[in-house]
Amino acid sequence: AQKITQTQPGMFVQEKEAVTLDCTYDTSDPSYGLFWYKQPSSGEMIFLIYQGSYDQQNATEGRYSLNFQKARKSANLVISASQLGDSAMYFCAMREGNSGYSTLTFGKGTMLLVSP
Amino acid sequence: NAGVMQNPRHLVRRRGQEARLRCSPMKGHSHVYWYRQLPEEGLKFMVYLQKENIIDESGMPKERFSAEFPKEGPSILRIQQVVRGDSAAYFCASSPFPPGQGTQPQHFGDGTRLSIL
Repeated sequence: AQKITQTQPGMFVQEKEAVTLDCTYDTSDPSYGLFWYKQPSSGEMIFLIYQGSYDQQNATEGRYSLNFQKARKSANLVISASQLGDSAMYFCAMREGNSGYSTLTFGKGTMLLVSP
Repeated sequence: NAGVMQNPRHLVRRRGQEARLRCSPMKGHSHVYWYRQLPEEGLKFMVYLQKENIIDESGMPKERFSAEFPKEGPSILRIQQVVRGDSAAYFCASSPFPPGQGTQPQHFGDGTRLSIL
């Protein structure tokens, strides 16, 4: 089974609207972390937001928030007030366990296009 | 504070040649990770290194690929006798945390786009 599933290959949104990018995950480890990264057309990977499995509140970073539903194993990214510069690929990733190092497992990504 | 530096940004090789990709972690980071991104895919873990040690190479192909992180200088991902299927973006990430602390994100470099002719 895939550890990270992003079911939306592409999403379209109009400028200034909010958009939700879906991410579901699969793990039996009670300790894990969930990450969202943005990859614009220039190719770099930009960290957006992090949610730990024991965090009581949903993570927020500026216009980004993470809708964390632990029982459903989902960690959807919400972008409020979309901007043209938000057009990019978005990757959900997970790190399992609380080991001495972390490697990330990535989903296949969702392409977001923001139109004027 | 400079981020993770990767070079070259783009690398073109002919089949059978060697490719050397370099990664300098962020200042103060002693943990380096290499990932590969095939077209239209997410990143896949290849190898994790600390200074002078390979900690986890479970994602590395058994042949032709090697990685090192010497005491001095950048981490190197080396691909010998490249084939067309090696064409991908290769990303390096670094993190500072000692064992037991896992909340920090990994900071990624801009990647090296490897094209095999």
